[in-house]
Amino acid sequence: GAGVSQSPSNKVTEKGKDVELRCDPISGHTALYWYRQSLGQGLEFLIYFQGNSAPDKSGLPSDRFSAERTGGSVSTLTIQRTQQEDSAVYLCASSYEIMNTEAFFGQGTRLTVV
Amino acid sequence: AQRVTQPEKLLSVFKGAPVELKCNYSYSGSPELFWYVQYSRQRLQLLLRHISRESIKGFTADLNKGETSFHLKKPFAQEEDSAMYYCALGGSNYKLTFGKGTLLTVNP
Repeated sequence: GAGVSQSPSNKVTEKGKDVELRCDPISGHTALYWYRQSLGQGLEFLIYFQGNSAPDKSGLPSDRFSAERTGGSVSTLTIQRTQQEDSAVYLCASSYEIMNTEAFFGQGTRLTVV
Repeated sequence: AQRVTQPEKLLSVFKGAPVELKCNYSYSGSPELFWYVQYSRQRLQLLLRHISRESIKGFTADLNKGETSFHLKKPFAQEEDSAMYYCALGGSNYKLTFGKGTLLTVNP
């Protein structure tokens, strides 16, 4: 594809339900990042993948959050038993393996927990 | 540990005035620094990176290792520069760490 694609664009869910957010990175990009963007909080790092492995999961806020990546491509961020404080825009980005090249961002998924 | 600090949440200037968005970092290795920008209703995108030493849209940023800073500057701000600006640090483990961002408003 032309860029990083995220789905859905918007998700409204009831408190307590599970949600899955999907990210399709740019083909050939081995590094994939998930961030959370909340009002007044800036960009909060969640997790980072190099290939299919996640060297750094330190940003996941609780054990309700998990992420996986398969085939070195698509990644899914899963939030179980959603809470209202999970409401935010979830951003995915990808970059080449070569150290510190440009990260390309998706348009984000706006999650609203009601 | 990697850390990026952007001390100003909000910055407001008038059109034609100089603007400086501050960024300080903490990293024990050799850093790669970036500025990303998010215009209203658009994706976050790269503005410039220190290794390129380039000027984009009139913006420049110089890496000062002594002061561990990477401030973004433009001599004459334009209304279209109004956006959210994020400073980012890349470390040897490929992890990108972002600051909390500065919302720049350029008034007419």
